[in-house]
Amino acid sequence: VQLLESGGGLVQPGGSLRLSCAASGFSFRSYGMTWVRQAPGKGLEWVSGVSGSGGSTYYPDSVKGRFTISRDNSKNTVHLQMNSLRAEDTAMYYCARVGLGTYGMDVWGQGTTVTVTS
Amino acid sequence: QSVLTQPPSASGTPGQRVTISCSGSSSNIGINTVNWYQQLPGTAPKLLIYSNNKWPSGVPDRFSGSKSGTSASLAISGLQSEDEADYYCAAWDDSLNGPVFGGGTKLTVL
Repeated sequence: VQLLESGGGLVQPGGSLRLSCAASGFSFRSYGMTWVRQAPGKGLEWVSGVSGSGGSTYYPDSVKGRFTISRDNSKNTVHLQMNSLRAEDTAMYYCARVGLGTYGMDVWGQGTTVTVTS
Repeated sequence: QSVLTQPPSASGTPGQRVTISCSGSSSNIGINTVNWYQQLPGTAPKLLIYSNNKWPSGVPDRFSGSKSGTSASLAISGLQSEDEADYYCAAWDDSLNGPVFGGGTKLTVL
């Protein structure tokens, strides 16, 4: 069971970035997926979630209208499209599987770093 | 400012029992179960406890969780040096329609 993120990098304020998370070792379409970020030296912040079918998506107010989560169950991947990026979006972004209890994130990727700077 | 409130730090000596508290409200902990995560230095978080007091496969029973009203606690017994990490509580928030985290507690093993 593994999650592997990619797509992070350096981007200017106002720019866009698309993160990807490749899943393996489990029945991907049976699980909701989520993205969680961690700013340098700070705590965890949930930034998006998607149901197993992809039909339902969820966002906190901090990214609503700027970030879009999607999934391709034929390729076992989940994406996070990030637009209108701000300096405060600088963080390590983790992909996680929602697998246990009420939104228990039981499998995590290693993370990909996003830096928003001019 | 995190929705769930945790003490920023905790400490203990090897073999000791330590507890970490997590305070929420009626829209999160008060009506939903609590999950706990452990983040070792430089690594991704790991689910430690789910549904207040259940263990994912592979987690030792030295770690235990409890919930009462709008608060929850994580207890670590038989403290070991490898338990030195950041610990986060989390719960679904019905008002925000998403999961919320505590600010994290840095555990130091003296």
